[in-house]
Amino acid sequence: KAGVTQTPRYLIKTRGQQVTLSCSPISGHRSVSWYQQTPGQGLQFLFEYFSETQRNKGNFPGRFSGRQFSNSRSEMNVSTLELGDSALYLCASRAVGGNEQFFGPGTRLTVL
Amino acid sequence: GQQLNQSPQSMFIQEGEDVSMNCTSSSIFNTWLWYKQEPGEGPVLLIALYKAGELTSNGRLTAQFGITRKDSFLNISASIPSDVGIYFCAGVYSGAGSYQLTFGKGTKLSVIP
Repeated sequence: KAGVTQTPRYLIKTRGQQVTLSCSPISGHRSVSWYQQTPGQGLQFLFEYFSETQRNKGNFPGRFSGRQFSNSRSEMNVSTLELGDSALYLCASRAVGGNEQFFGPGTRLTVL
Repeated sequence: GQQLNQSPQSMFIQEGEDVSMNCTSSSIFNTWLWYKQEPGEGPVLLIALYKAGELTSNGRLTAQFGITRKDSFLNISASIPSDVGIYFCAGVYSGAGSYQLTFGKGTKLSVIP
């Protein structure tokens, strides 16, 4: 079974731009969560989607948004990028009723 | 919100030594997860624990779910250079359709050959 995939793996943007990151969960998994990881703050939860609905949201500004499609693939969007948005963005998927989350390789976003 | 205290923050050990790290919380969890993350990659799930008192092994790794449900430890025996990375604990509280996962801040392991 293929693991969680994320595209692109690396991205360089400038301040004020917007970016869209993509995540494909493990086949059969319907829950997708997004995390931001920085050296100073560790892993911080952004949001979780299940069956195209946002179920949970972390403490991030409205510039961070996401969505999930009917095939469980998910995208997250960051608008009006700031330097502090530079981070590794991780996607994780989970089976229905399961407690184990499986992570993708991440997208490294650099904002200049 | 829930907080996890993971210790130590970092460790430098000689190859062949055993390693121990732990996580404690003020809240109870019904699942503990342990992950390893290597540079530039996402965390990889090593061990999942589901019951208080449970002791589970995965090769040279052994983890336990504390009986109070507020703590967990991970041991690595006979460390080798490829054990280098950051190890994260994560506590899960789930039930009645809700799911909340809280991460520790990680233990950075360095192995000296």
